[in-house]
Amino acid sequence: NAGVTQTPKFRILKIGQSMTLQCAQDMNHNYMYWYRQDPGMGLKLIYYSVGAGITDKGEVPNGYNVSRSTTEDFPLRLELAAPSQTSVYFCASTPSGYTGELFFGEGSRLTVL
Amino acid sequence: AQSVTQLDSQVPVFEEAPVELRCNYSSSVSVYLFWYVQYPNQGLQLLLKYLSGSTLVKGINGFEAEFNKSQTSFHLRKPSVHISDTAEYFCAVTISNTGNQFYFGTGTSLTVIP
Repeated sequence: NAGVTQTPKFRILKIGQSMTLQCAQDMNHNYMYWYRQDPGMGLKLIYYSVGAGITDKGEVPNGYNVSRSTTEDFPLRLELAAPSQTSVYFCASTPSGYTGELFFGEGSRLTVL
Repeated sequence: AQSVTQLDSQVPVFEEAPVELRCNYSSSVSVYLFWYVQYPNQGLQLLLKYLSGSTLVKGINGFEAEFNKSQTSFHLRKPSVHISDTAEYFCAVTISNTGNQFYFGTGTSLTVIP
């Protein structure tokens, strides 16, 4: 059982470039989340989705976009990368909303130079 | 946004000693509380959660936590730690009227000293 799969695991971008972080889950979870983790700052919610076709902004959405065309996939798009977007990004999913266990991917480490 | 405070950023403790990692939250309504553990270069894993019922919650790897509504706290404890418990620990909270958002604390780095 793969769970939550994130790709790529590592990426270096130049300022102004764009890229997409991929996230896929095979557990048929409706709820999916993107977080960024910075040292000493914990996890900050970027975007989340409660089902296919529905997305909502979290605490730190600026500079990012998401889409949810299927239950399985929840890609995160970075437009015009900036050094402030250097971080570790985690995708997570849960079957039952705010009372459920979050299942996390292994993370994608992004460096913007 | 809801606030979750983890009072200690780093906690060193000797092997086989007890440990308490502190977590406080800010909310006047009903909350659901979680503790997650992150081992190096991995994603987070659920240790335990409190949804309702008994305020003492037992989780995996011998950890437990106590929900204290009057003090808005959810401290994590283990009576005897092992080297393998060295990791980052995150407290998280959700509230039913916040649209399924999970709010995380800044984390506590637990280092178990041999």
